[in-house]
Amino acid sequence: GDSVTQMEGPVTLSEEAFLTINCTYTATGYPSLFWYVQYPGEGLQLLLKATKADDKGSNKGFEATYRKETTSFHLEKGSVQVSDSAVYFCALGSSGANNLFFGTGTRLTVIP
Amino acid sequence: DSGVTQTPKHLITATGQRVTLRCSPRSGDLSVYWYQQSLDQGLQFLIQYYNGEERAKGNILERFSAQQFPDLHSELNLSSLELGDSALYFCASSGGGVGAETQYFGPGTRLLVL
Repeated sequence: GDSVTQMEGPVTLSEEAFLTINCTYTATGYPSLFWYVQYPGEGLQLLLKATKADDKGSNKGFEATYRKETTSFHLEKGSVQVSDSAVYFCALGSSGANNLFFGTGTRLTVIP
Repeated sequence: DSGVTQTPKHLITATGQRVTLRCSPRSGDLSVYWYQQSLDQGLQFLIQYYNGEERAKGNILERFSAQQFPDLHSELNLSSLELGDSALYFCASSGGGVGAETQYFGPGTRLLVL
């Protein structure tokens, strides 16, 4: 069945460091891929998405490229800020199921 | 702000009790999804409604039920509550109810069962 495997956390980085959070997926067909972010005490917010192979989603300095050959959708940011501290979820949506499948989440803490 | 609203924000109750969580989807969205977020299970899909009809079921317990009303708001009913039901419950909405669509999440209801 469809599933998402996400890099375990927590991740602690210094401000301005480079961020990568790995995400790989298993799916039949051609899923859409998402990154959601959950700030402390809040709900999930869509960060970026990609709907087909080789698409790059980007928002707020974050990027992720849909790689069909490696079934991956890694999240990257060149220079993190303290305000990026949050939990990041990779998710998959496919036409074969109505719900999103979420990874376990990666907690990022950025220290000044 | 996603446009999805959920009430109440917090709920504290006792074991054996029943509670109702409410969700209003984004304007124009016909589909509502309920998810449970707990520390040990992560984000689990519970149930989906589309334009008033149940469309998909996930890991929803028999003690839990939901419905979607003609104005498209949805309610999740949790009964015979147990300590393990303590979690964050999210509602999400989308336009067409297809899995590949973007789902927009509400702020959640934090349930604590004592």
